[in-house]
Amino acid sequence: DAGVIQSPRHEVTEMGQEVTLRCKPISGHNSLFWYRQTMMRGLELLIYFNNNVPIDDSGMPEDRFSAKMPNASFSTLKIQPSEPRDSAVYFCASSPTGIDNEQFFGPGTRLTVL
Amino acid sequence: KNEVEQSPQNLTAQEGEFITINCSYSVGISALHWLQQHPGGGIVSLFMLSSGKKKHGRLIATINIQEKHSSLHITASHPRDSAVYICASGGGADGLTFGKGTHLIIQP
Repeated sequence: DAGVIQSPRHEVTEMGQEVTLRCKPISGHNSLFWYRQTMMRGLELLIYFNNNVPIDDSGMPEDRFSAKMPNASFSTLKIQPSEPRDSAVYFCASSPTGIDNEQFFGPGTRLTVL
Repeated sequence: KNEVEQSPQNLTAQEGEFITINCSYSVGISALHWLQQHPGGGIVSLFMLSSGKKKHGRLIATINIQEKHSSLHITASHPRDSAVYICASGGGADGLTFGKGTHLIIQP
């Protein structure tokens, strides 16, 4: 198995632009998680899905952030409009079933908003 | 609100030493995770535990639910163990709360 796949690996954009991050979970995993990591705040859970349904989105910072999971093999995290303070590494992870299970992390997307 | 504290923040040790990293959390949880983040940035899940002890190779994780405390131990440490170790607690509908991480350096 290729593991969790994220794209792009690096993204540099200008303030105000729309940014879309993509994630393909491990086949057969029912849960998907989006995390953000910054030097100041460390790792933070943004949102997670069970069977394509959002379970907890309390970590989503504000309305500029949205996440979707249209099917079991694909999820997107969108930021519109982007701001410099959104610069971070965004990780996607998947697990076989739920948050109380081992999670497998993707390589992350390093986002820089100028 | 769950708060997760890790100690120490930084740890430098010699190869072969026994390493202990501690994690305390403030509210009852259903699961505690230990993660390892390599210098290149990749994250690997080491353990997920809700009670007792788990062992994988030279790594041992323990949790005391009553004291709201978990420890990660590394026996016969090696330079390749150098990484950031992060604990995260929570679970169910409450999501996960992460500690700030422990930066471990094992010198040859």
